[in-house]
Amino acid sequence: KAGVTQTPRYLIKTRGQQVTLSCSPISGHRSVSWYQQTPGQGLQFLFEYFSETQRNKGNFPGRFSGRQFSNSRSEMNVSTLELGDSALYLCASSSRPEGNTIYFGEGSWLTVV
Amino acid sequence: AQKVTQAQTEISVVEKEDVTLDCVYETRDTTYYLFWYKQPPSGELVFLIRRNSFDEQNEISGRYSWNFQKSTSSFNFTITASQVVDSAVYFCAGLYNFNKFYFGSGTKLNVKP
Repeated sequence: KAGVTQTPRYLIKTRGQQVTLSCSPISGHRSVSWYQQTPGQGLQFLFEYFSETQRNKGNFPGRFSGRQFSNSRSEMNVSTLELGDSALYLCASSSRPEGNTIYFGEGSWLTVV
Repeated sequence: AQKVTQAQTEISVVEKEDVTLDCVYETRDTTYYLFWYKQPPSGELVFLIRRNSFDEQNEISGRYSWNFQKSTSSFNFTITASQVVDSAVYFCAGLYNFNKFYFGSGTKLNVKP
């Protein structure tokens, strides 16, 4: 069974640009959540989607947005990039509400210059 | 407040030593789940174990063991006879009331040959 797939794995963007990250969950999983990981702030929850609806949202500015498609694939978008957005963005999927374990992808390393 | 605390920021041991990673959780919910994840340098968080609040049995898997004690709100993780491949950042997490995950700040384990 394929795991969570995230693309791209590495990217470099310039301040002010926008970026879109993609996540394909484990087959059969309908819940997808996103996390930002930085050395100073640790793992921070961005949002969770279930059946194309946002279930939960963390404390991030409106520049961070996401969506989920009917096939459960998800994208997150960051507009007007700032240097502080440089981080590892992790996607996780689960079979919630039936199952409670979340499984992570390898992440997308974003560097903003 | 609902949270997870990993007080140990970084631990260094010599190969073959035993090491225990501490995790203290905080919740008023009666139903909750606790997890441990391993994050090697590649970035992906690898699921290790899940425990629910009604199952206080300790778990052993090879060199790994977990001690769940509700009386002290702890869910500690012990690696016996550590190996260099165990070097990683380990995260403890809690899922409270089937809502969202709370991650600890992580403990970086360095196992030296």
